[in-house]
Amino acid sequence: EADIYQTPRYLVIGTGKKITLECSQTMGHDKMYWYQQDPGMELHLIHYSYGVNSTEKGDLSSESTVSRIRTEHFPLTLESARPSHTSQYLCASSELGGYTFGSGTRLTVV
Amino acid sequence: AQSVSQHNHHVILSEAASLELGCNYSYGGTVNLFWYVQYPGQHLQLLLKYFSGDPLVKGIKGFEAEFIKSKFSFNLRKPSVQWSDTAEYFCAVNGGSQGNLIFGKGTKLSVKP
Repeated sequence: EADIYQTPRYLVIGTGKKITLECSQTMGHDKMYWYQQDPGMELHLIHYSYGVNSTEKGDLSSESTVSRIRTEHFPLTLESARPSHTSQYLCASSELGGYTFGSGTRLTVV
Repeated sequence: AQSVSQHNHHVILSEAASLELGCNYSYGGTVNLFWYVQYPGQHLQLLLKYFSGDPLVKGIKGFEAEFIKSKFSFNLRKPSVQWSDTAEYFCAVNGGSQGNLIFGKGTKLSVKP
């Protein structure tokens, strides 16, 4: 069972709304990541963090932002959701090369 | 830029057939290699990984993979698939400057009972 939790599991939201996708891990990992996954496509890294107060943008440009105030918590925020943000968002953490993934949040913006 | 190529988008097999899923990566340095599986509606799970040592790696559920450095390949194999192996399989490489996982596009495996 994964020790990394994402909420909500599914979210349908209107255009222009602000949303925050939650990600928490109980393993004490310093490194955390957000990936975006569209059907039939590879996972793209959109944000990562190597510890508290450390955040970086990943390979794929994203209009979302992240914060890392506590080791266990790595939320992702969209200030104004658009239909183009419809996707699955996966959170992960790692230590010594081992990665653990959350169940993902499937976001639909209508 | 680094990349991971998975050659098959969708593979359909009958139960007991043998499986080989291709994975090639482009990165000249030292790499760590992974195969993940995602069952329908579930999170990504690690099947196996290669860091160093014996290039033939055995993972969970009877899967294995062979690292061939000269071919930049890390193909996944299973001698006899089961219906329960129906899932999407992702190859990933960790060798970038950021040390982050780079994923392939995934291969969907459908096993007919």
